[in-house]
Amino acid sequence: NAGVMQNPRHLVRRRGQEARLRCSPVKGHSHVYWYRQLPEEGLKFMVYLQKENIIDESGMPKERFSAEFPKEGPSILRIQQVVRGDSAAYFCASSPRIRDQETQYFGPGTRLLVL
Amino acid sequence: DQQVKQNSPSLSVQEGRISILNCDYTNSMFDYFLWYKKYPAEGPTFLISISSIKDKNEDGRFTVFLNKSAKHLSLHIVPSQPGDSAVYFCAAFTSGTYKYIFGTGTRLKVLA
Repeated sequence: NAGVMQNPRHLVRRRGQEARLRCSPVKGHSHVYWYRQLPEEGLKFMVYLQKENIIDESGMPKERFSAEFPKEGPSILRIQQVVRGDSAAYFCASSPRIRDQETQYFGPGTRLLVL
Repeated sequence: DQQVKQNSPSLSVQEGRISILNCDYTNSMFDYFLWYKKYPAEGPTFLISISSIKDKNEDGRFTVFLNKSAKHLSLHIVPSQPGDSAVYFCAAFTSGTYKYIFGTGTRLKVLA
């Protein structure tokens, strides 16, 4: 029973390039969340998606960042024209369905380094 | 505006003793709280949670206490083991929402 999977685990990009981060939720989970962790900080919510729908993207920068969770395949967090400040660990979490109190299970993260 | 605060960035405890990690929050709408453990280069692992209708929840060596009037929760680990050495995050959210608000973490070191 695989947990949340993320790839790549490490990603190096030069300024101006694009970064694509993938997340496969726990089998049977239809809700995906993305968080970002900057050095010495806690995790910050970015976006919440269900299959084919963005439910809340209030934590995501308005420009350059986008996310999707297609009907088939993993969720993708896309960062266009990366800048050094995008260097961080990006974590994906999933949960089976929304109840009042639902535990989210996290993947191992993708560490993005922008040179 | 840090709604969830972990004021101790680090804590060292002798093996076998009790570890107490603290967390304070400011948003009175939070009604569900969780603790996660994180090893380097891994994702957070769920440890234990507590609803605001309770003041204590226990799971093996881990107990979480919630003091709603003080807006304070704590995680007790007893007895502490070297394998418990990790960064511990508390998180909070409001029922019906899904955004976890995380603290900045406390690095626990259990000394053998």
